[in-house]
Amino acid sequence: KQEVTQIPAALSVPEGENLVLNCSFTDSAIYNLQWFRQDPGKGLTSLLLIQSSQREQTSGRLNASLDKSSGRSTLYIAASQPGDSATYLCAAPPSGGGATNKLIFGTGTLLAVQP
Amino acid sequence: DVKVTQSSRYLVKRTGEKVFLECVQDMDHENMFWYRQDPGLGLRLIYFSYDVKMKEKGDIPEGYSVSREKKERFSLILESASTNQTSMYLCASSLDGPGGLFFGSGTQLSVL
Repeated sequence: KQEVTQIPAALSVPEGENLVLNCSFTDSAIYNLQWFRQDPGKGLTSLLLIQSSQREQTSGRLNASLDKSSGRSTLYIAASQPGDSATYLCAAPPSGGGATNKLIFGTGTLLAVQP
Repeated sequence: DVKVTQSSRYLVKRTGEKVFLECVQDMDHENMFWYRQDPGLGLRLIYFSYDVKMKEKGDIPEGYSVSREKKERFSLILESASTNQTSMYLCASSLDGPGGLFFGSGTQLSVL
């Protein structure tokens, strides 16, 4: 059964620092992996979607990598800003299926960027 | 851009009331989902629909039902609300295939 784990649960960094958020998944036969951002009391905003055939995706200061063989994905944030403060969640399809995008979520990393 | 709209941001209901949470998407997506999110437990799937009038139970369907009469609309129903259903409810939709999942802004439900 697919399980998704995110470490660390919380992270505080000074503004300007580059940082890496980690995501692990137990079933490497995944269709894709998606990273989301959630602001307090709000819904989830999709950041990056990596297909199983890709190794990484980039959007602005964000770069997400996928290593299926090791069951890991990382989200790299360059030159962090206070506006990046939010909870970051990764999600992967369940074991045996993924076409419907019925995802299994990690519990997230709460990021605080200090001015 | 995909838009997933949840009808209420905040809702306060009494124990025993019947509660309807509505979700509408405007991108002709086949699949729609209802999740709940609780501190320390993350997002858990309540119900999932892959077509009009088709539904599938998620991980925590007890105490909930759903309705999908039209492709764009997916309703979550709490037949008799209880205090342990106080939570953030998140609706999402997707196409079949590699396009990913898109969320609404959430409904914070309090059952008193």
